[in-house]
Amino acid sequence: GDSVTQMEGPVTLSEEAFLTINCTYTATGYPSLFWYVQYPGEGLQLLLKATKADDKGSNKGFEATYRKETTSFHLEKGSVQVSDSAVYFCALKGIQGAQKLVFGQGTRLTINP
Amino acid sequence: EAGVAQSPRYKIIEKRQSVAFWCNPISGHATLYWYQQILGQGPKLLIQFQNNGVVDDSQLPKDRFSAERLKGVDSTLKIQPAKLEDSAVYLCASSPAWTGEETQYFGPGTRLLVL
Repeated sequence: GDSVTQMEGPVTLSEEAFLTINCTYTATGYPSLFWYVQYPGEGLQLLLKATKADDKGSNKGFEATYRKETTSFHLEKGSVQVSDSAVYFCALKGIQGAQKLVFGQGTRLTINP
Repeated sequence: EAGVAQSPRYKIIEKRQSVAFWCNPISGHATLYWYQQILGQGPKLLIQFQNNGVVDDSQLPKDRFSAERLKGVDSTLKIQPAKLEDSAVYLCASSPAWTGEETQYFGPGTRLLVL
């Protein structure tokens, strides 16, 4: 079945550092790919998405590119802020069946001032 | 536009007791999802409704979990009897439809602790 594997956390960085959180997937065909973010005390929010190969999703300075050849959707940000501290989830939505979201295990990110 | 509403926000019960969670999706959203998020893991889909019909309940433990969406709007998820391993956050989400790449919008969740 479909699955998502994320870089294990927790990840701790200093403010203004470069961020990469790795995400790879296993799925049939061309699923849609998502990054969701969960800030402390809040619900899951969509951060960005990409629906076909080579698409780049972007939002709030974060970017991720849909790479079919490496089945990856790595999340990047050039300069992180303390306010980016949260748990980040990579997810896919398959093309078969009920098209449910399948999530990775999440990566906790802490940014120190 | 109001978001997805869930209640209660927190619930503590003893094992073998029953519990129910309520969700009201975003107005006009046809599809409603219930997810279980165990600490340290990503959310796992329990059940998906399209209007008031079940689309996918393959991961719902049907011996103890049940869910309904009688009028195609709000929904309840019930656990009876609860086990220790049911301690988790129960998330409700909704989306306008179930095809394509429609975004799912999540509620704040109900945190359940089973003692």
